Amino acid sequence: NAGVTQTPKFRILKIGQSMTLQCTQDMNHNYMYWYRQDPGMGLKLIYYSVGAGITDKGEVPNGYNVSRSTTEDFPLRLELAAPSQTSVYFCASTQQENTEAFFGQGTRLTVV
Amino acid sequence: GESVGLHLPTLSVQEGDNSIINCAYSNSASDYFIWYKQESGKGPQFIIDIRSNMDKRQGQRVTVLLNKTVKHLSLQIAATQPGDSAVYFCAENPQTGGFKTIFGAGTRLFVKA
Repeated sequence: NAGVTQTPKFRILKIGQSMTLQCTQDMNHNYMYWYRQDPGMGLKLIYYSVGAGITDKGEVPNGYNVSRSTTEDFPLRLELAAPSQTSVYFCASTQQENTEAFFGQGTRLTVV
Repeated sequence: GESVGLHLPTLSVQEGDNSIINCAYSNSASDYFIWYKQESGKGPQFIIDIRSNMDKRQGQRVTVLLNKTVKHLSLQIAATQPGDSAVYFCAENPQTGGFKTIFGAGTRLFVKA
C-alpha cells in the first residue's frame, strides 16, 4: 500500500515553461488536494477535488490547473511558470470530510 | 477572516521533558482539529485529532486539549525524544466544507540531547 505518490521529487523550470506535477493515491479516497508550502510557512490550498470529474479552487489557484479523470489521479498543471511559483507542492487525500489527510512526499519546484 | 495560528514559532526542550505546543484559532464554527508533524524533506504526517464535542484526547505519548471558550488548541508530548524534532502544524476544518483544512504557520520543535 503506497499511499499518496508524487512525481517528480525535484524540478527546475525556466520562466514561461510548463509542467505537470503528478499525484496518485491507492486508498480509493474521494477527496484529493494540492497544497503549496513556502519556506517557514504553513500549507495553502491550491485546488481540491471531491471526486472524479469534480474540481474546485482553493485559496491560491491562480497560475494552476487541475483535472480529475479517475479516483486515483489528480495532476496539477503549471502553464506559464513564474518565480512566485517556486515552492514545495504537496498532494494529499482524505477518505471523507473531517478525517485525517494523507500526504505525499512533496515536489520541490524552483522557477528561474 | 479565518485563521489558525501558533503562539511560538520555535520551541526547544530537553530530551525527556514534556513539550507543549500551542495554537489559536479564530473560527468558532470549526468542529474538527488536527495536529500534523512534518520532518525535514517529508510531507506532513497525522499525529492526533479532536472533534469539537470533546475537550481532551490522548494518543501514544501525545495529548490534544481543546478549549472552545478561548479558541485554543494545544499538543502535549510526553517524555520528548530526539525523534520528535520536527515542525508541528495545527489545522482546523470549518463546519461547512469540512474537507478544506486551514493550516497554521507551524512550530519548530528542537529536542536537546
